[in-house]
Amino acid sequence: GAVVSQHPSWVICKSGTSVKIECRSLDFQATTMFWYRQFPKQSLMLMATSNEGSKATYEQGVEKDKFLINHASLTLSTLTVTSAHPEDSSFYICSARLNIQGEQYFGPGTRLTVT
Amino acid sequence: DQQVKQNSPSLSVQEGRISILNCDYTNSMFDYFLWYKKYPAEGPTFLISISSIKDKNEDGRFTVFLNKSAKHLSLHIVPSQPGDSAVYFCAASAGANTGNQFYFGTGTSLTVIP
Repeated sequence: GAVVSQHPSWVICKSGTSVKIECRSLDFQATTMFWYRQFPKQSLMLMATSNEGSKATYEQGVEKDKFLINHASLTLSTLTVTSAHPEDSSFYICSARLNIQGEQYFGPGTRLTVT
Repeated sequence: DQQVKQNSPSLSVQEGRISILNCDYTNSMFDYFLWYKKYPAEGPTFLISISSIKDKNEDGRFTVFLNKSAKHLSLHIVPSQPGDSAVYFCAASAGANTGNQFYFGTGTSLTVIP
């Protein structure tokens, strides 16, 4: 099946620094990638939809200047959390869709802890 | 506004018995539904899907039922196995052909007791 990887799997950073998370589709080309955030015991919340070669579409309430998304190629999307704060600590998950209709394939997630 | 709801945060089932996980939605435009399984600190993995033109889809031990009039879907796992213990999310999409995003429920934590 389709495989999506994320790097790093776990990162600890200090307040005020920036952190970049990579999402790669390993064996397929993904025209669309999604970034989700999950708080403990809560649902996955869609942050943004990323299409290769164009600007990401952010969900309401998500600060685009804080969560920078770059979809540089059909196999790579990056999420950069800028000027991280402790409240940004969360589990970030990306997913990639093989085609316009169909299931999303999820990465293993990245746990971000901001101290 | 939670468009997809899973009202049972947790469920415990004896090994070998049937697990039934429920999901309700409010948006009548949803036409494609999926169930995902998630272990702690891992990304969700796709389990099974159903489109609105069907009312049942079966894959091995997993069956998803869709009741469009009630805006309700359920996932049946039979027989349940200890390895099925995980959090299960249902997700729904409107206009899949247009590439709309999926909306997730809050998840149900299933524990299968050996």
